[in-house]
Formats: sequence, structure tokens, C-alpha cells
Amino acid sequence: NAGVTQTPKFQVLKTGQSMTLQCAQDMNHEYMSWYRQDPGMGLRLIHYSVGAGITDQGEVPNGYNVSRSTTEDFPLRLLSAAPSQTSVYFCASSYAGSYFTEAFFGQGTRLTVV
Amino acid sequence: DQQVKQNSPSLSVQEGRISILNCDYTNSMFDYFLWYKKYPAEGPTFLISISSIKDKNEDGRFTVFLNKSAKHLSLHIVPSQPGDSAVYFCAASEGGGGNKLTFGTGTQLKVEL
Repeated sequence: NAGVTQTPKFQVLKTGQSMTLQCAQDMNHEYMSWYRQDPGMGLRLIHYSVGAGITDQGEVPNGYNVSRSTTEDFPLRLLSAAPSQTSVYFCASSYAGSYFTEAFFGQGTRLTVV
Repeated sequence: DQQVKQNSPSLSVQEGRISILNCDYTNSMFDYFLWYKKYPAEGPTFLISISSIKDKNEDGRFTVFLNKSAKHLSLHIVPSQPGDSAVYFCAASEGGGGNKLTFGTGTQLKVEL
């Protein structure tokens, strides 16, 4: 099993450019989420989805867009990149059918906006 | 407002000794707590969890303790090994599960020979 796969691993963008961070999971998990990790701030929730066609905002959603057309994929779109979006981005998925379960994370995408 | 806090950015212990990592939370709606371990350039990996109906959960060398009245949890690693050197994140959720986690800022553990 590949688990949660994120692409690309590294990306440099110019201010104002747009891009999509890809995330795919092969565990048939209902829940998927995007987090960003900044120095000294831990991981913060950007957007999440409880199933195909359903998304909602997390703690820091501004400047990001998501959609969930399939169970497997949950792309994160940066509409107009800003230097404040320089961060490491993690995608996660989890099973909805149990209280005692955990989130599985991808390896991350390191994004630099110049 | 930081709802999950890890007040020690770093911790250094000797191999074979106990490592104790602490975490405090402010949101009384949190009822499920998880610890994650993270190596550089990798994603966080799940370590151990505890629900609010328990005060202790063990898995091999790892034990998590929960004090609900103090809104405090701790992770004990015994004995500590060099491979345990990593950043440890405490996370919390409402209603269980791995969705919508609120993370602490992490503690860098270094286990020295």
C-alpha cells in the first residue's frame, strides 16, 4: 500500500502564480485534510473533507481552495501565491468508522514563494 | 489562541533513561488525544492515542497519561533509544478519530548515547 501520496515534494513559485498540490490515498478513507507546518507553530488545519463532494474550512483557509470529486483525491489549490504561503504542506486521511483511529500523513510538499 | 500547548521546545535524555514529553490543552471539548512522531523531511507518523474515558494507555515502550482535571497529558518513553530522536507532536480532536486535529508546537527529543 502506498498510503497517502503527495506531489510534488518541492516547489518554488513566484508571487502571484497559481498551482495545485496533489494528494491521493489508497486506503478508501472518507476523511481527508490539508495542514501546513510553519516553524514554531506546529501543524494547522487548512481545509478538510468528510467525503466526496463535501469540504469545509479549517483554521487557516484564506488563499487556498479545495475540492473532492473522488474518495481518493483531495487537491489543494493556491490561487495567487504569496510569500506568507511559504510552508511545508501535509495531506492526511483517516477512517470515519471508528472513534479510535488516527490520521495517516503524506511525506509533505515544501513550498517556497519568492 | 493556542488550544494545545507543548511548552518544552526541546528535551535531551540519555539512552536507556526515561523520556517524558508534556502537553496541555485548553479546550474542554477535546476528548481524544494522539501523539505523533516526525523525522526531518517526512510526514508525521502515529505513535499512540488515548480517549478521555481513560487515564493511561500503553503500547510497548510508550505510555500516555491523561489528567482531565488538569487538562494535561504526557508521553513516557522507557527505555529511550537513539532512534527515538525526533520531533513529537501532541494532537487533539473532538468526537474522536483522526479528522480535524489540533496540534501542539512540538518537542524535539534528542536521545544521546
